[in-house]
Amino acid sequence: AQSVTQPDIHITVSEGASLELRCNYSYGATPYLFWYVQSPGQGLQLLLKYFSGDTLVQGIKGFEAEFKRSQSSFNLRKPSVHWSDAAEYFCAVARFSGGYNKLIFGAGTRLAVHP
Amino acid sequence: IAGITQAPTSQILAAGRRMTLRCTQDMRHNAMYWYRQDLGLGLRLIHYSNTAGTTGKGEVPDGYSVSRANTDDFPLTLASAVPSQTSVYFCASSDSQGLGGYTFGSGTRLTVV
Repeated sequence: AQSVTQPDIHITVSEGASLELRCNYSYGATPYLFWYVQSPGQGLQLLLKYFSGDTLVQGIKGFEAEFKRSQSSFNLRKPSVHWSDAAEYFCAVARFSGGYNKLIFGAGTRLAVHP
Repeated sequence: IAGITQAPTSQILAAGRRMTLRCTQDMRHNAMYWYRQDLGLGLRLIHYSNTAGTTGKGEVPDGYSVSRANTDDFPLTLASAVPSQTSVYFCASSDSQGLGGYTFGSGTRLTVV
């Protein structure tokens, strides 16, 4: 069955430092992969997505993610973190069933940013 | 502003009571979803609807029911609430294939006591 693992429950970085959030997936075919961000008390917002083609995808808010098939990973990165990036981040894979796609989410990584 | 409206934003509910969480979208999306979010578990799919008039079960459907009488509305009903249904509930919608990403509501925080 398709699944998503986010190994890090909490990550703390200093403002201005680089960031990498890990995501590993389990899927038999070419996966459709997503990263979402959830600010406190809010719903989820799509950061970026990967379907095919260039394995480095750019998203909103200066985020990017790299698809590595050999490692079954889709890690999220940002070169310089801002205090406003403090939030919870979810990786997701689309599961195709009955002619439709459903998103399967990881457990999330909570990011704290120190000034 | 186009998007999803969920109501109520929060609710404290006595165990055994019936509760309907409301969800309305104005984007004419065919597909709609209900997820629950629990600490350490991420979001888990409760029920979904690919088009108006059809519904399906997700990963954790027990104790919940849904209906999809029209494109815009997708209510989630707890027939007899139990404490384990204390959670934050998110409604989402997408185009038919869902690959453009989901649009999420702001959530309903439900506490069953």
